[in-house]
Amino acid sequence: QKEVEQNSGPLSVPEGAIASLNCTYSDRGSQSFFWYRQYSGKSPELIMSIYSNGDKEDGRFTAQLNKASQYVSLLIRDSQPSDSATYLCAVNAGTASKLTFGTGTRLQVTL
Amino acid sequence: KAGVTQTPRYLIKTRGQQVTLSCSPISGHRSVSWYQQTPGQGLQFLFEYFSETQRNKGNFPGRFSGRQFSNSRSEMNVSTLELGDSALYLCASSLAGAHQEQFFGPGTRLTVL
Repeated sequence: QKEVEQNSGPLSVPEGAIASLNCTYSDRGSQSFFWYRQYSGKSPELIMSIYSNGDKEDGRFTAQLNKASQYVSLLIRDSQPSDSATYLCAVNAGTASKLTFGTGTRLQVTL
Repeated sequence: KAGVTQTPRYLIKTRGQQVTLSCSPISGHRSVSWYQQTPGQGLQFLFEYFSETQRNKGNFPGRFSGRQFSNSRSEMNVSTLELGDSALYLCASSLAGAHQEQFFGPGTRLTVL
């Protein structure tokens, strides 16, 4: 079982719709959770961080964490073509700054 | 505030050579982590440096090494390059704590021929 799992996609949503990206993790000791966006040929860009159960909203983005289910998700409201990218889920379970990444979900927002 | 910088941006080397990559973190950030990204393996953690000490290490051979200077700048070195070392090498900086947000630099694209 992979430590951090994501559906590779592509996830295709029409412009203006809500995109829902999901991630599961195996280490119950995980304490911090991050979503990164990566455009083709670029480096990952931090979108959201979440540390406690529940929802965290930032603009069009909402991160959701459920530690009991070992599940973290990212919702993108009013999806735009510029949101088309690969979204990486990252988890930190240890005492140092090691992030374990999923393989990413490719999102395509269609006109 | 300036972001994370990495030099060089692109490198082409041949098998058996060695390479040194450099990373300058965001001002005030004391932790620097290095990652390797390949199409097959995705993003994998190499090591982390904090206060000039390696705080954590990933599952990579000893050919991969690094160091951090007193100004928090970091370098990583790969010796005896192999074809499989071709990858995007990313550096990320964060504040001192273990669960702080990490911000990535643009990366160094290494091609080994």
